[in-house]
Amino acid sequence: AQSVTQLGSHVSVSEGALVLLRCNYSSSVPPYLFWYVQYPNQGLQLLLKYTSAATLVKGINGFEAEFKKSETSFHLTKPSAHMSDAAEYFCAVTPGGTSYGKLTFGQGTILTVHP
Amino acid sequence: NAGVTQTPKFQVLKTGQSMTLQCAQDMNHNSMYWYRQDPGMGLRLIYYSASEGTTDKGEVPNGYNVSRLNKREFSLRLESAAPSQTSVYFCASTLGQGVNIQYFGAGTRLSVL
Repeated sequence: AQSVTQLGSHVSVSEGALVLLRCNYSSSVPPYLFWYVQYPNQGLQLLLKYTSAATLVKGINGFEAEFKKSETSFHLTKPSAHMSDAAEYFCAVTPGGTSYGKLTFGQGTILTVHP
Repeated sequence: NAGVTQTPKFQVLKTGQSMTLQCAQDMNHNSMYWYRQDPGMGLRLIYYSASEGTTDKGEVPNGYNVSRLNKREFSLRLESAAPSQTSVYFCASTLGQGVNIQYFGAGTRLSVL
């Protein structure tokens, strides 16, 4: 079974500051991990994915995440926040291999960016 | 390129009424999913269809039924709506092989009074 915990339901940063959104997972098999972003009144869009290749994954809009097996973490970072980054972010996990793509999502973190 | 299309976008029901949420994808994906999103709970899987002709329960299937009408379409039915089913519903699809990136529709906001 898989599970995801996102630490902090709300994160607030100033424009230009570092963004750090935390995600810890548990999985009985090597996982695939994803970060999705949801802008207001929209569906989810893929930011980036980890699929057992490089542990540092770069995504769209300047975001990146590092897979740390020893810490069972997949935290999302961006060096400099922009107002347009304000959204809700979801971490998700699926077992590698044949799983028909079933995702288990974290509870979500709402990112607020102040001018 | 439409991707995943959900209809309707908004719906208000009275307790006990029934309705069907429609979902269609034009990416030739094999697998399709229905989720509900509630504040502070992330997305929870209601039902999924790994391939045309198959459906399986997810985490929260009670009160719902689904139909995989063909490879493109996957509908979600509420037979007798309850206030607890007030939520935002998302349909998603994926190729069903390899990395399995899911692509989402824009959602249906449902209120049950």
